[in-house]
Parts: sequence; structure tokens; C-alpha cells
Amino acid sequence: RKEVEQDPGPFNVPEGATVAFNCTYSNSASQSFFWYRQDCRKEPKLLMSVYSSGNEDGRFTAQLNRASQYISLLIRDSKLSDSATYLCVVTSGGFKTIFGAGTRLFVKA
Amino acid sequence: TAGITQAPTSQILAAGRSMTLRCTQDMRHNAMYWYRQDLGLGLRLIHYSNTAGTTGKGEVPDGYSVSRANTDDFPLTLASAVPSQTSVYFCASTSLAGGVQFFGPGTRLTVL
Repeated sequence: RKEVEQDPGPFNVPEGATVAFNCTYSNSASQSFFWYRQDCRKEPKLLMSVYSSGNEDGRFTAQLNRASQYISLLIRDSKLSDSATYLCVVTSGGFKTIFGAGTRLFVKA
Repeated sequence: TAGITQAPTSQILAAGRSMTLRCTQDMRHNAMYWYRQDLGLGLRLIHYSNTAGTTGKGEVPDGYSVSRANTDDFPLTLASAVPSQTSVYFCASTSLAGGVQFFGPGTRLTVL
């Protein structure tokens, strides 16, 4: 079993739609959680950190469920520019960081 | 601020040849990482360095070596390249354990 698992997609949604991604992790001692965005042939970049109480940044909402060991990302009012691969990232003490394989999103006009 | 730079941007290499991928950061981050990214497999850690003078093996270290002579530079060397090392290589750094990683633009390597 992979330490961090994501549905690879692709998710194909129309502009304006709401879309949600989930990510599960296996290490119950995991400490920090992030969502990164990666555009085609580019480097990953931080989208947002995920806090225990949940957090929102504009159209993006991230949530953490420690009991079930998953994090989620909700994108409201999808834009064409949201098309990308979204990587779930989990750290487990020290400098150990595990990246999920990513979920691909295509937003269509 | 440049952040993290990598060189070269891309390279075609004959099998059996050696090559060093360069990575330099100007953020004074303690930790640096090398990943490879292959379709469907996501980012896999090759080697890391928690601080200058120390290095460690990641998930897929075989065929690669690194050094960390100073804070800013973290070169990755392929001593004798094989076709399975064809990949996109990303260098990253972070200032805090478990913190946000910042990535370089990547090096696309093709080994023929």
C-alpha cells in the first residue's frame, strides 16, 4: 500500500463547477499536510497548507480528517486556469515528505 | 530572488556516460532534496541533505550520488547512465523540517 494515495483522475469538469479531491495517508503519525499544484512540464508549487481546523483560500478549501487519515481539497467555481495536477503531500517527522502521484483536473469551457 | 535554479534544462545522454545535474538555492535553506518524476509514479526521493556536510538516501538512490559541500549547492551525479534513468529531475529545498518545499524548474534527462 502506498503511503499517500490519490485518485489519478482525470476529473473533467465545466467552468463554474465545484470539484473535490481526496487523499488518504497510511502513517497515523503524519504531522503536516499540503496541497501542491503542478502545471504540465513545470515544477510543483504550494497551493495551500492543510490545518486541523480546515482552512480556506478564496475558492479553495482544504480539510484534514485525522481519524480517517485523509485530506481533501474543494475547488469552487472552477476556472479554466485551475486545470493542472494536484499533489497531496504529507510529512512524517523530521524531513520525511511523501508526495502523492497527483490528481489531474481539466476544466472545460 | 532566484530561489532554486537547476542546470541543464534538458539533456540527451548516451548510456554509460556520466553526468552531473546542478542545483543551487539562494534562500539559505538547510535541507535540500533530489526527486525524479515519472508518469504515473509521482515524485520519488533520490537523495536528501538535511544540512551542509550531510546526505542521506531516499527511496530510489541506486545509480545516483550527491554531495553537499555548502548550503547553496546540491549536485546530483549519475556515474554511468542507464535508459531507466530517463526522467524529469527536480531539486527542492526547505528551511524547516516538515515545512513547505520549494522546487527548481527541473531537468529533463533522456538516456539513450
